[in-house]
Amino acid sequence: AQKVTQAQTEISVVEKEDVTLDCVYETRDTTYYLFWYKQPPSGELVFLIRRNSFDEQNEISGRYSWNFQKSTSSFNFTITASQVVDSAVYFCALGTSYGKLTFGQGTILTVHP
Amino acid sequence: AAGVIQSPRHLIKEKRETATLKCYPIPRHDTVYWYQQGPGQDPQFLISFYEKMQSDKGSIPDRFSAQQFSDYHSELNMSSLELGDSALYFCASSYRTDLRGYTFGSGTRLTVV
Repeated sequence: AQKVTQAQTEISVVEKEDVTLDCVYETRDTTYYLFWYKQPPSGELVFLIRRNSFDEQNEISGRYSWNFQKSTSSFNFTITASQVVDSAVYFCALGTSYGKLTFGQGTILTVHP
Repeated sequence: AAGVIQSPRHLIKEKRETATLKCYPIPRHDTVYWYQQGPGQDPQFLISFYEKMQSDKGSIPDRFSAQQFSDYHSELNMSSLELGDSALYFCASSYRTDLRGYTFGSGTRLTVV
């Protein structure tokens, strides 16, 4: 069975602070994908990143960066210099060979001006 | 680029009524997945179809049924609606179970009154 745990239910920061969202996963599959999605109040799931299990390179995209560590089964997400527009619910998800995704419980991020 | 199209975007139904949600996958995608996201919850996998055959099943109530048609679009039929069925329903599509092109639609918000 697949499992994704996001330890932080809610995070509140002030604009320009850096914030890291934690994600830990469990799977017996050797081939899998990890995702991060942003869900603003409007409700749609906005794709942020996909990483496969064989690619442990960290990635940076603008103010966003991701740290994938297979040894600790973690795929953490950092927002540098947070902005009010980053306020949303963020989901980490795990996908395996059957195609369905298993989501974490989500982290509500609030960035105050 | 064409995305996954879901219709309707919003739907209000009364208890015990029936609802039909539609999903049109990205061109050349042959696999469709349905997810249900209750208020404050993470998306939960309901069911998936590949080449018009059910390929996987999650926690889908017996009152719900789904199918995939020859043009690969899918419909989720929900009968005897209950207040607890109020949720966001997402459809996603992929080519086979290749997660590299996994794409979500914008969702249908169902409210049961």
